[in-house]
Parts: sequence; C-alpha cells; structure tokens
Amino acid sequence: DSGVTQTPKHLITATGQRVTLRCSPRSGDLSVYWYQQSLDQGLQFLIQYYNGEERAKGNILERFSAQQFPDLHSELNLSSLELGDSALYFCASSPSGRVDTQYFGPGTRLTVL
Amino acid sequence: DQQVKQNSPSLSVQEGRISILNCDYTNSMFDYFLWYKKYPAEGPTFLISISSIKDKNEDGRFTVFLNKSAKHLSLHIVPSQPGDSAVYFCAASAYYGQNFVFGPGTRLSVLP
Repeated sequence: DSGVTQTPKHLITATGQRVTLRCSPRSGDLSVYWYQQSLDQGLQFLIQYYNGEERAKGNILERFSAQQFPDLHSELNLSSLELGDSALYFCASSPSGRVDTQYFGPGTRLTVL
Repeated sequence: DQQVKQNSPSLSVQEGRISILNCDYTNSMFDYFLWYKKYPAEGPTFLISISSIKDKNEDGRFTVFLNKSAKHLSLHIVPSQPGDSAVYFCAASAYYGQNFVFGPGTRLSVLP
C-alpha cells in the first residue's frame, strides 16, 4: 500500500459524458501527478501540481482539466469523453517535486462505451 | 513517434540468472532516466534512476547502465527472483523531475 488513494476504482460511462477522478496523496506529500495508461501503451504524463499550483504539463488534452485543493487532494476532470479515453488513470504523489520519490496509487480504470 | 522505446514486450528468465531489460530513446535532450516496476492491479513503483552525468548506478540487485552515445539504457537484475516478475517501464526526462516520457513496458517473467 503506497498510501495514495484513488476513487473510484472502476468507472463505466458513455461517450460525451463527463467524469471526475479523485486522488488523495500520502500524508505530507505536496506534489500530485496524473498519468494515463491506455491499452498496450506506456504511461503518459498528464499534469503535475505542487502545493495547489500547476507545476508541469504533459500530454493533457484540452477536454481534460485538473486541480489540487487546499487539503492537497486532487481531481482530474475528463469531459466530452471519447472511446479512446478508456484507460487506467494513475495518480502519484511525492513530498517534493521529484519523480524519484513518487508513490503511485492503484489507479482508476475508466471504460467509455 | 515514440521517444522512448522498449522493443521487447516480454522476457522470460530462469531464477538466479541475470535479467537484462533494454530501453532506447530518440531525444538527445533527455538527461534523467528512471525505471519503474509494476505488478498487476497496483500502481508503478520507482526502482532506480540515473542522470546523464553517470553511466552506471547500482542499488542492490539492480543496476542501470546508460550509453548516451547510443541513446540506450539497460536494467540488469542479478540474481533474478520470481518476485521480480512484473512489467518494467523506463522513463526519460529532458529536465530533471519534469515531463517524463515513458516507454511501453517489458513484461518480465522469472521462472522458478
């Protein structure tokens, strides 16, 4: 158990819908990262927050947005969902901004039908 | 266009032998590299890293080698154990700690 929690574990929805994925970082960790893992693909870095502010942006679509709240939990919002958005979405946290101190959550599996 | 490639989707090794997982990259600006291990139904776990100022980094049974001229890195696991069976991802960044690009992963099976 990494100490990072993600809810829900599984999510099934339809094209065109909007969903919110939630991540609670490890206690004391200031940085949160979001990743997408599509079928047969490697992890794709989406976005990083540090203490409430956006720190780095990766391959995040305009239909996707994220935020980190004052209590440091983070939400990833996916809208106008397409079939290709079906993937595992991982959240990770680290005490600093360093990825080599990153701890991953178990992921949320999103299925878009 | 994949900037980080792991050309072997899977690898099987006998317990006690050496496992060598390979990773190639195309972006010469990458200067920091990591390996992650992932078990089914769990998130990835950081394993080992190397910066471009080094050509080798060792941590117990795990050693990462970097060949900058060939844009190639490899992860050696010696001796391999059944518990090492997992998917291994390499990742690279052009700026330490930022915007990592991951490879597609190699599934390692260590046979008892």
